[in-house]
This record gives sequence, structure tokens and C-alpha cells, in this order.
Amino acid sequence: NAGVMQNPRHLVRRRGQEARLRCSPMKGHSHVYWYRQLPEEGLKFMVYLQKENIIDESGMPKERFSAEFPKEGPSILRIQQVVRGDSAAYFCASSPTAGGLSEQYFGPGTRLTVT
Amino acid sequence: GESVGLHLPTLSVQEGDNSIINCAYSNSASDYFIWYKQESGKGPQFIIDIRSNMDKRQGQRVTVLLNKTVKHLSLQIAATQPGDSAVYFCAESTGRRALTFGSGTRLQVQP
Repeated sequence: NAGVMQNPRHLVRRRGQEARLRCSPMKGHSHVYWYRQLPEEGLKFMVYLQKENIIDESGMPKERFSAEFPKEGPSILRIQQVVRGDSAAYFCASSPTAGGLSEQYFGPGTRLTVT
Repeated sequence: GESVGLHLPTLSVQEGDNSIINCAYSNSASDYFIWYKQESGKGPQFIIDIRSNMDKRQGQRVTVLLNKTVKHLSLQIAATQPGDSAVYFCAESTGRRALTFGSGTRLQVQP
């Protein structure tokens, strides 16, 4: 049973470019969460999605960031016009049930570097 | 907003000793708590969880204690091994919301 998969593992973008991060949840999981982690800090919640629905985006910056989880295919976190402050590790997690009522399984993360 | 925090940023123990990592949380409405282990360059790995209707839960070599009176959570690791060296995060949630993570404690196991 494959775990949560994320790609790419490392992504380098120049300022102003777009970054697309992909997350495939564990088989049978329909709840996906995105978190951001700066070096030596804890993970910060960004967005919680179910298939085709955004449930909670209270942690998402209002501009340049968007997320989707289509009926088919992986969840996508999209960052437009990246800036140096977007450099971080972005982790995706999935769970079989809603919200925080069950353990969330994390992927290996995508490390975004903005030059 | 309310947050979860940790008392000690770094904990150094001898191999074979028991480790205790502490966490204070501020949201009295939190009803679910998890401890994660994160090794360098990897995603968080689930260790153990506990619900607010419990005060203790044991796993293999690990025990989580929850004291709701003082809003304190701890992770005990028995017979700590070099492979336990990592950063440990506590996390909490309320109802169906996503997890709120603490800032982490680095555990260093000395051989």
C-alpha cells in the first residue's frame, strides 16, 4: 500500500514564476491537507480539501496561492508569481476520515527554493 | 490564534535512558492530540495519538500522557535508541479542523 506521494521532491523557481506541487493521497483516502514548514519550525496548516471541494482554507495566503483536489488525479497546490519568502518545505497529508479525528499520514514533502 | 508550544527546544539523552518530551497547549477545546517524529529531509511520521477522553495511551516503547487540567501533553520513549534521534512535534485539533503543530523538540541520543 503506497503512502502519500508528492512530486517533485525539490523545485527551484525564479522570482515571478509559478510553482505547482502535486500530492497523491493514500489509497482510499479522500481528505487532503497541505502544510508549510520553514526551517527549524513546526508545520503550519494551509488548506484542507476533499474531492472537488475546499473545506477549510483559513491558512492560505489570500493572494497567489490556490489549491484543488479534482475528481480524478492528484491534489495540486499552486503558487503564482513566487517570491523568496515562499521558499519552504510543503507537506501534504491525507486521512481516511474528516478533519482531525484520525491520524494524518504525511508525504515526503516538496522543497521549494525561490531564487 | 491559540497554539501549541513546547518547553524544550533540544533534549539530549544517553542511549538506553528514557526520554520525556513535553508540550503545552492553549486551546482547552482541543479533543485530539498526536505526536509526530520528523527526521531530517523527511515528512512527519505518526507515533501515537490520544483523544481528550483519555489521560494515557501506550504504544510500543512510547507512552503519551494527557493532563487536561494544566493543558499538558508528554511523550515518553523507553530505552531510547540512536534511531530515535529526530525532531518531535505535538499537534492538536478541535473537532473536524486540521492539525495545529507545536514548534518541535530536537531529541539527540548520545551513544
